[in-house]
Amino acid sequence: AQTVTQSQPEMSVQEAETVTLSCTYDTSESDYYLFWYKQPPSRQMILVIRQEAYKQQNATENRFSVNFQKAAKSFSLKISDSQLGDAAMYFCAYRGGGADGLTFGKGTHLIIQP
Amino acid sequence: GAVVSQHPSRVICKSGTSVKIECRSLDFQATTMFWYRQFPKQSLMLMATSNEGSKATYEQGVEKDKFLINHASLTLSTLTVTSAHPEDSSFYICSARDRGWRNIQYFGAGTRLSVL
Repeated sequence: AQTVTQSQPEMSVQEAETVTLSCTYDTSESDYYLFWYKQPPSRQMILVIRQEAYKQQNATENRFSVNFQKAAKSFSLKISDSQLGDAAMYFCAYRGGGADGLTFGKGTHLIIQP
Repeated sequence: GAVVSQHPSRVICKSGTSVKIECRSLDFQATTMFWYRQFPKQSLMLMATSNEGSKATYEQGVEKDKFLINHASLTLSTLTVTSAHPEDSSFYICSARDRGWRNIQYFGAGTRLSVL
């Protein structure tokens, strides 16, 4: 079974600074997808960024980028120029190439200090 | 992005009653929808995969007779918690997979179930 590990239960960053959230995963598959979702206090899950395992290029979405290290099975999220609205729980998620459902990590609570 | 509507957002019921939660994809077709459960301050756990026109696939440890899933159309899946008990109190979230090339899951806003 696949597992997703987020080793940082909570992270704090000053507004406008950069923060990196860690995620590692364990899988025997070669074809899979990785995601970062954001869950604000409203509890609505919002897709932040997505990475296909077959792509070597790291995904970027505006201030959000990932460092995907396939051999190390690492998938960290970098948030640049942190904003107060970035405060939320961040979940790393895995989906196998043949499977449908997502396997989530335990989440990292991101605090933005004004 | 695509919109997934989940209803109701909050439900309080007495022990022993059944509760139905609806999940609709509003602007796309979803042959597959998913139901997750999230306990306070914890992560989301996949309960079952709902396939349009066929039986749902349940994850290990999830009672299919307790959590009935119906996916009657390409835009609607329902989760019925039968004979609910206080231990079923939780946050239930659905998602729908866009069949388009991006193949992304979009989430509903969740349903907070409280069983008295």
